[in-house]
Amino acid sequence: GQNIDQPTEMTATEGAIVQINCTYQTSGFNGLFWYQQHAGEAPTFLSYNVLDGLEEKGRFSSFLSRSKGYSYLLLKELQMKDSASYLCAGITSGTYKYIFGTGTRLKVLA
Amino acid sequence: EAQVTQNPRYLITVTGKKLTVTCSQNMNHEYMSWYRQDPGLGLRQIYYSMNVEVTDKGDVPEGYKVSRKEKRNFPLILESPSPNQTSLYFCASMRGTSGSLDEQFFGPGTRLTVL
Repeated sequence: GQNIDQPTEMTATEGAIVQINCTYQTSGFNGLFWYQQHAGEAPTFLSYNVLDGLEEKGRFSSFLSRSKGYSYLLLKELQMKDSASYLCAGITSGTYKYIFGTGTRLKVLA
Repeated sequence: EAQVTQNPRYLITVTGKKLTVTCSQNMNHEYMSWYRQDPGLGLRQIYYSMNVEVTDKGDVPEGYKVSRKEKRNFPLILESPSPNQTSLYFCASMRGTSGSLDEQFFGPGTRLTVL
């Protein structure tokens, strides 16, 4: 089946920039999505990419390279409230099945 | 307020006792989906529905049933729950399907324990 891989955990400092990577099989997906999930809460949508390139939304940006099967989420000016899990997800081509990565737990330190 | 609601939020039950988790959205979304979330495994899709009377299996459909008789509701049915179905369940909805990729809105989650 199709897999989405992302690092399990990352740590960064308040005010810094962090990049969370996500890789997947190149022929699998129609689009790549990023969600944020705080502990004990539901995921909330951050960004998505259908075409190659960078999408910017305030402090958050997401990048996609379809030929490389690679996406990243860039978080700038990190705040303590950004401590959460970040989920990469794709919709499979030809169906509307959603596949999620296992998530990257980000800890922001003061 | 635009939202996805799920009930119950918490449920402890016993093996074999049929249960239904309800999901409702008030955004007139075509697409609805159920996920389970387990530590180390992330969110896994159980079933999804692209419109009324149209449902499809996700990655982990065994032991679950769904129905989509109306656009707003998408209940998840466990006919004979087993302990391996103990999990955190999320319902989600999305505006469009064909040709239209959009964000999913998630319900608050249902924490199910099967003894």
